[in-house]
Amino acid sequence: AQKITQTQPGMFVQEKEAVTLDCTYDTSDPSYGLFWYKQPSSGEMIFLIYQGSYDQQNATEGRYSLNFQKARKSANLVISASQLGDSAMYFCAMRESGTGNQFYFGTGTSLTVIP
Amino acid sequence: KAGVTQTPRYLIKTRGQQVTLSCSPISGHRSVSWYQQTPGQGLQFLFEYFSETQRNKGNFPGRFSGRQFSNSRSEMNVSTLELGDSALYLCASSLYSGPTDTQYFGPGTRLTVL
Repeated sequence: AQKITQTQPGMFVQEKEAVTLDCTYDTSDPSYGLFWYKQPSSGEMIFLIYQGSYDQQNATEGRYSLNFQKARKSANLVISASQLGDSAMYFCAMRESGTGNQFYFGTGTSLTVIP
Repeated sequence: KAGVTQTPRYLIKTRGQQVTLSCSPISGHRSVSWYQQTPGQGLQFLFEYFSETQRNKGNFPGRFSGRQFSNSRSEMNVSTLELGDSALYLCASSLYSGPTDTQYFGPGTRLTVL
């Protein structure tokens, strides 16, 4: 089974609107971390936000927030007030202690912000 | 703090040659991971090193190898290059190798095999 599933290959959003990128994960480990990365066309992976499995509150970093629903095993990324510079690939990732803390990445979602 | 650096940034090789890529982690970081990214296969994990020991290994042939030095710098080597090895190779470092440790990526090395 896939550890990380991103079901939206491509998304479009109007500038200044909010957008939600979906991510579900699969683990039986009680200790894990969830991460989101942004990859612009230049290729570099940029860390956006982190959520720990024991965190009670949803993580927020500026315009990024992580909608963490533990029982549903989902960790959706919400980008508020989209900007043209947000156009990029977005990857959801998980790191779990049970598998040697290896990082698992999803297949990514391509986000295009329309002016 | 300086970020993760990778050298070279671009590389062109021919089939059968070998190549060595270098990665310098963020100062103080002890874990270094390598990934291969291609349009067809996406982002694939190669291996992770922590304190000079390989901790995890992905599903790649033995032509792909790596090592980590005492200063945490890491190299990966690909021998007998094949056309399918053309990819963006990304290196990432984290402070430790626990479930809450964030990986920070370098700019990548874009390898083209002709």
